[in-house]
Amino acid sequence: DTAVSQTPKYLVTQMGNDKSIKCEQNLGHDTMYWYKQDSKKFLKIMFSYNNKELIINETVPNRFSPKSPDKAHLNLHINSLELGDSAVYFCASSHRDREGNIQYFGAGTRLSVL
Amino acid sequence: AQTVTQSQPEMSVQEAETVTLSCTYDTSESDYYLFWYKQPPSRQMILVIRQEAYKQQNATENRFSVNFQKAAKSFSLKISDSQLGDAAMYFCAYRSAGFGGATNKLIFGTGTLLAVQP
Repeated sequence: DTAVSQTPKYLVTQMGNDKSIKCEQNLGHDTMYWYKQDSKKFLKIMFSYNNKELIINETVPNRFSPKSPDKAHLNLHINSLELGDSAVYFCASSHRDREGNIQYFGAGTRLSVL
Repeated sequence: AQTVTQSQPEMSVQEAETVTLSCTYDTSESDYYLFWYKQPPSRQMILVIRQEAYKQQNATENRFSVNFQKAAKSFSLKISDSQLGDAAMYFCAYRSAGFGGATNKLIFGTGTLLAVQP
């Protein structure tokens, strides 16, 4: 059973398109995250939700919109894709009261914008 | 703002030997957590080891151990008896203690790519 699963694993699309990445966790965690890993492998937080409430919103273009329909799901929708959006996007989850709030990551979604 | 620095972009070790990866960080906080994550070619981010800043004892997980020097703000990872499967990118990360808002985020270093030679 995959603990944190993201779909799709690979996404190739044209500039200007709109796309979504989905994330689901079956760990019973109450907090979920989106991180972006750029071409130089640098990882940076984008968003975090706790119990469906947005608690972290870093400086991210408003073309990126996260949505958390419930505690187990966090989706990322990206409008008007640009070349610079090409990256690997990681979903992660944790529980604030367990294991020191350790974050567990999904396998990542590699987004390529052509 | 907190920062994490990994000064070794690449390291190499012979199989069965020991290697140490360096990490320094900057913070004005007294309570926080430090992590080492491993990212093999499969891209999956895997937690290797965690250290709570309030604990003086260095964390260990099988062949992996850390040298945590709080005053020096240093957090190095030692891999003993290196195996081919240890080849990966290793990231050092910092998180503030407590919960809520920006304290929840992991702040990553730039990573160290470890090669294991047979």
